[in-house]
Amino acid sequence: QQPVQSPQAVILREGEDAVINCSSSKALYSVHWYRQKHGEAPVFLMILLRGGEQKGHEKISASFNEKKQQSSLYLTASQLSYSGTYFCGTEGSGSEKLVFGKGTKLTVNP
Amino acid sequence: EAGVTQSPTHLIKTRGQQATLRCSPISGHTSVYWYQQALGLGLQFLLWYDEGEERNRGNFPPRFSGRQFPNYSSELNVNALELEDSALYLCASSTRQGPYNSPLHFGNGTRLTVT
Repeated sequence: QQPVQSPQAVILREGEDAVINCSSSKALYSVHWYRQKHGEAPVFLMILLRGGEQKGHEKISASFNEKKQQSSLYLTASQLSYSGTYFCGTEGSGSEKLVFGKGTKLTVNP
Repeated sequence: EAGVTQSPTHLIKTRGQQATLRCSPISGHTSVYWYQQALGLGLQFLLWYDEGEERNRGNFPPRFSGRQFPNYSSELNVNALELEDSALYLCASSTRQGPYNSPLHFGNGTRLTVT
């Protein structure tokens, strides 16, 4: 079942923060986050496994609340290079496939 | 290290024809995934191959099929093309069985246009 991402789109000024949410109605094993720039392939950002571990990558971090089957991606002090569409991918119990949400389009303006 | 390569980059077919898309994974990767990216629908899971076997498939009709070769490259075939099959088809590879803790590395995709 496809996870639900929110918001669908967000516009920021350089230096502002953003949060992108991803929720599923099914129990999850893992959550992946990817970023796709226009005309390019999606690029892996991070994986979160069951256990609520928070991961970070420079100014981009994420959390996974397995009780709520939700993950959030945090972008702090956004840079122009953060612009793109962010996808969360979820793997549920017994599914053995990664199902992606519809994406959140992030635009960072100077 | 070469990334995931897909061919052709663009493919134009007419309704009812067959399309064949190809994918070469990163060296050492045994799993290949296929996704369809149509406008506004995100990435729709199509197929997953590992070690030459089909491990899982998404909610697509049987006219979407594929295979994985002994060198782990893969082919996606779409028979009896319909207009709504027009989309970007992305291939991804990973190192281990299952996406549980293994990131997917995507190719640049094949843009299929059905007229």
